[in-house]
Amino acid sequence: AQSVTQPDIHITVSEGASLELRCNYSYGATPYLFWYVQSPGQGLQLLLKYFSGDTLVQGIKGFEAEFKRSQSSFNLRKPSVHWSDAAEYFCAVAYTNAGKSTFGDGTTLTVKP
Amino acid sequence: NAGVMQNPRHLVRRRGQEARLRCSPMKGHSHVYWYRQLPEEGLKFMVYLQKENIIDESGMPKERFSAEFPKEGPSILRIQQVVRGDSAAYFCASSPTDQETQYFGPGTRLLVL
Repeated sequence: AQSVTQPDIHITVSEGASLELRCNYSYGATPYLFWYVQSPGQGLQLLLKYFSGDTLVQGIKGFEAEFKRSQSSFNLRKPSVHWSDAAEYFCAVAYTNAGKSTFGDGTTLTVKP
Repeated sequence: NAGVMQNPRHLVRRRGQEARLRCSPMKGHSHVYWYRQLPEEGLKFMVYLQKENIIDESGMPKERFSAEFPKEGPSILRIQQVVRGDSAAYFCASSPTDQETQYFGPGTRLLVL
């Protein structure tokens, strides 16, 4: 069965600092990988996705993620965090692009002024 | 093109009552997915439907929960005889085919008193 681990429950960074959120997955084949962001009381917004090809994926809001097959990881990065980035971030995997997705438990990002 | 719509956004029920959650997919989308998010957790897949068909209900509790996606109208997630443990946020997602990205609605927050 596929599973997703987000090791960091809560991360605090200063505004303008760089950010990396970790995501590890367990799956037999190369999965479809996603990162979503959820603001309090809101739904999920897709930041970026990886299916195949270039392992460095660019997303919206200045985010990027790198797929590393050898480490079964898909970490999310941003070079300079803005206060508006404070939210909860979810990594997800799926067998296909639109099959049921398995989500990690999320990482809450706090941004200090 | 309006996004995925869910209503109500908030729903309060007493134990033993029924809860009906509605999801209107994006225009042109015929695939609907329901997820549940318990407090402090990630989203858990419940059911995947196409028009008039349940494709995958492996995440649905065996009792009290049912889902439908009729030919006309929204998809409905129905919870009979609700219990306090049903309190959660229920998210709907839709996609145009089974090979394309899912788009999420804002969710329905169910509170069982």
